[in-house]
Amino acid sequence: GAVVSQHPSWVICKSGTSVKIECRSLDFQATTMFWYRQFPKQSLMLMATSNEGSKATYEQGVEKDKFLINHASLTLSTLTVTSAHPEDSSFYICSARGVGGGDTGELFFGEGSRLTVL
Amino acid sequence: GQNIDQPTEMTATEGAIVQINCTYQTSGFNGLFWYQQHAGEAPTFLSYNVLDGLEEKGRFSSFLSRSKGYSYLLLKELQMKDSASYLCVAADSNYQLIWGAGTKLIIKP
Repeated sequence: GAVVSQHPSWVICKSGTSVKIECRSLDFQATTMFWYRQFPKQSLMLMATSNEGSKATYEQGVEKDKFLINHASLTLSTLTVTSAHPEDSSFYICSARGVGGGDTGELFFGEGSRLTVL
Repeated sequence: GQNIDQPTEMTATEGAIVQINCTYQTSGFNGLFWYQQHAGEAPTFLSYNVLDGLEEKGRFSSFLSRSKGYSYLLLKELQMKDSASYLCVAADSNYQLIWGAGTKLIIKP
């Protein structure tokens, strides 16, 4: 199946700093990428939908100025957590949907990035 | 509103069969997914149904009834490694994904 690579897998940062997480589709072009957050023992929560070349659509309650999403190419989307605070500590996961006909809607997930803010 | 209902937790025995049910309510419908998620890992795609009926894929099968807003995931010949959370996810008319909270499946020897 298609591969989505997410980097970094683990990141620890100080409160007030910014952290960038990358999501790359390695062997296909992704017109749409999704960013999720998962707190311990809870389900995935969709944060935003990112379409290549346009602004991301954020879910209600997600601060777009805090969670900056850039989808500059068909193979790369980035999530930047700005001025991170301990409550932003979470597991962040991206997924991508491919281009082309026969789209079954199948999503391919990155490995996830665990952010710990001290 | 849009929502997904699935049991919080289920327990089954190694080698047995288990069925995880899911009901959904969405604005329009573009298919239903099942994902498996082991603790601390990203979800893994299991199945996608958009037409009524049963789709079989090895030990796992998924069923959909659009008129009833109902799906189930059937796991046969359970193995210890099947212990995980199983997420039911529906796509609405805009392909927005509505996630269930997941069913934690515990497999006992």
